[in-house]
Amino acid sequence: QVLLVQSGADVKKPGASVTVSCRASGYTVINYYIHWLRQAPGQGLEWMAIVNPNGGETHYAQKFHGKVTTTRDMSTNTLHMELSSLTSEDTAVYYCARDGSYTWSSSRYYFDYWGQGTLVTVSS
Amino acid sequence: QSALTQPPSASGSPGQSVTISCTGSSSDVGTYNSVSWYQQHPGKAPKLMIYEVSKRPSGVPDRFSGSKSGNTASLTVSGLQGEDEADYYCSSYAGSNIVLFGGGTKLTV
Repeated sequence: QVLLVQSGADVKKPGASVTVSCRASGYTVINYYIHWLRQAPGQGLEWMAIVNPNGGETHYAQKFHGKVTTTRDMSTNTLHMELSSLTSEDTAVYYCARDGSYTWSSSRYYFDYWGQGTLVTVSS
Repeated sequence: QSALTQPPSASGSPGQSVTISCTGSSSDVGTYNSVSWYQQHPGKAPKLMIYEVSKRPSGVPDRFSGSKSGNTASLTVSGLQGEDEADYYCSSYAGSNIVLFGGGTKLTV
């Protein structure tokens, strides 16, 4: 079955960086886009970026340009999302989610499988 | 781009129907059929319930249905059951690699 397994919770100080990992299995990983989203405590969902695992092309929400960097390791079917210059406003649960569309066509921008979420806490 | 607008809460008794609205603009909901709905129980990851306005993924009960009229999309839950109590979020593509979410609606059964 399709599984997205994320790295564990992390605590960082303001100004630091954090990397969240997402290991995909149960399907051909390069065939589907992956999205990164986050949810601050008690708040709604916020879309951050879309990654094409087949080549690594990434598009970021304007708010996250220069703050988020995505990488991938296709030898382990793992995608990474690095968030830099952390502030308390970055405290959130971060999710990876699979797009419903194949990477050889346009993204359909819906998320059919989700990782379990990774809580990142930014605190001095 | 502004977030999509959802009512903060909705409620219904078991067996009843409830409809949750999601209002956007002509730049997002009104233009694209990439409207989706997600159910989220406390402490859990969201679950896809409806995609592309009205399509239901395999395994989602047909009690859940979606529609769109103009700039407003809607999620209807018929025959409410206790396990339907959750937060519901709508999402829409807004062009140029922009994805918008609603603020969420807490459904009480």
